[in-house]
Amino acid sequence: GAVVSQHPSRVICKSGTSVKIECRSLDFQATTMFWYRQFPKQSLMLMATSNEGSKATYEQGVEKDKFLINHASLTLSTLTVTSAHPEDSSFYICSARDRRQGEIGELFFGEGSRLTVL
Amino acid sequence: GQSLEQPSEVTAVEGAIVQINCTYQTSGFYGLSWYQQHDGGAPTFLSYNALDGLEETGRFSSFLSRSDSYGYLLLQELQMKDSASYFCATFNQAGTALIFGKGTTLSVSS
Repeated sequence: GAVVSQHPSRVICKSGTSVKIECRSLDFQATTMFWYRQFPKQSLMLMATSNEGSKATYEQGVEKDKFLINHASLTLSTLTVTSAHPEDSSFYICSARDRRQGEIGELFFGEGSRLTVL
Repeated sequence: GQSLEQPSEVTAVEGAIVQINCTYQTSGFYGLSWYQQHDGGAPTFLSYNALDGLEETGRFSSFLSRSDSYGYLLLQELQMKDSASYFCATFNQAGTALIFGKGTTLSVSS
């Protein structure tokens, strides 16, 4: 199957700093990528849809100025958590669909990035 | 908006069969997917049903009834490694992104 790589897998930062998470499609081009957030023992919550070359589409309740998404190429989307606070500590996961293969409802996920804000 | 309901926990023993149900409420429907997630890992795709009926892939099968807004994931010949969280998912109202149910934690014991 298609491969999505996410980096870093773990990051610890101080409150007030910004953290950038990268999501790459390694063997396919992804015009659209999706960013999810997951708290322990909870579901994956869609944060935003990242569109190559255009603005991301944010879900209701997600602060676009806090969670900056950039999708500058067909293989890379980045999520920057700005002015991070302890409540932003979570598991952030990106995903993409490989239109060349797989089912319509099949997403390929990165390994996830666990953010801890002190 | 879209919503999916599934049981929070299911327990079973090795070798048994377990069914995880999912009911959904959607404006527009583009199919039901199932994902498996082990603790600390990324979700992995299991199956997708766009039409009514049963889809079988090895030990796992998935069923969909659009008239009942209902689907299930059937796991047979359970193994310890099947202990994980299982999520049903469907597309959002715009049909552009997947939204997930709250997940069912399956615990398989020996």
